[in-house]
Amino acid sequence: DQQVKQNSPSLSVQEGRISILNCDYTNSMFDYFLWYKKYPAEGPTFLISISSIKDKNEDGRFTVFLNKSAKHLSLHIVPSQPGDSAVYFCAASTWNQGGKLIFGQGTELSVKP
Amino acid sequence: KAGVTQTPRYLIKTRGQQVTLSCSPISGHRSVSWYQQTPGQGLQFLFEYFSETQRNKGNFPGRFSGRQFSNSRSEMNVSTLELGDSALYLCASSLTGGVRGTTTLNTFGSGTRLTVV
Repeated sequence: DQQVKQNSPSLSVQEGRISILNCDYTNSMFDYFLWYKKYPAEGPTFLISISSIKDKNEDGRFTVFLNKSAKHLSLHIVPSQPGDSAVYFCAASTWNQGGKLIFGQGTELSVKP
Repeated sequence: KAGVTQTPRYLIKTRGQQVTLSCSPISGHRSVSWYQQTPGQGLQFLFEYFSETQRNKGNFPGRFSGRQFSNSRSEMNVSTLELGDSALYLCASSLTGGVRGTTTLNTFGSGTRLTVV
């Protein structure tokens, strides 16, 4: 039962363009969402988060959009840089589940110079 | 400031054996969570500990267990290893646990790569 899905295993983007990574969820109890970035041989690092009371959150080049009715969120990276090449995971949690995160399967982003 | 330290980095075990993995959180962090990462399933939550108490548990069989010590260091144990247990095991620590707000953000270690043969 995959409650959080990232349907695109990979994405290739040209440097300077926008990268859009998508994530869908099925559990309407999720009320907090996070994006993590992971390089090979390293643990995931936190990028950006959004509460379900918002529909957008920005941090520098990274913006997360949340569409609760569609149970969909997306991460926009503008402009994309070669150093952004990594695997990106979206994750979700419910208020009563403490530190438990439900992760998607990840999307490997490749930004080409 | 030292990060989250997981030992060992790599491990090869035989089916049927048991294994213990260790996680030292960032100094001052009292919450430790464990995740299993496999190519097919992504990252899956194993358990969360706070002040030596298990606060949350994922959907894994009883062969997977963990504990946390008074210094917040945590260990997880897998008994009667199966081939499907081969995975990257990640540990994350945070000040207070949970995932909301700056005191709860998880910092992940680099993981222990377990191979079961």
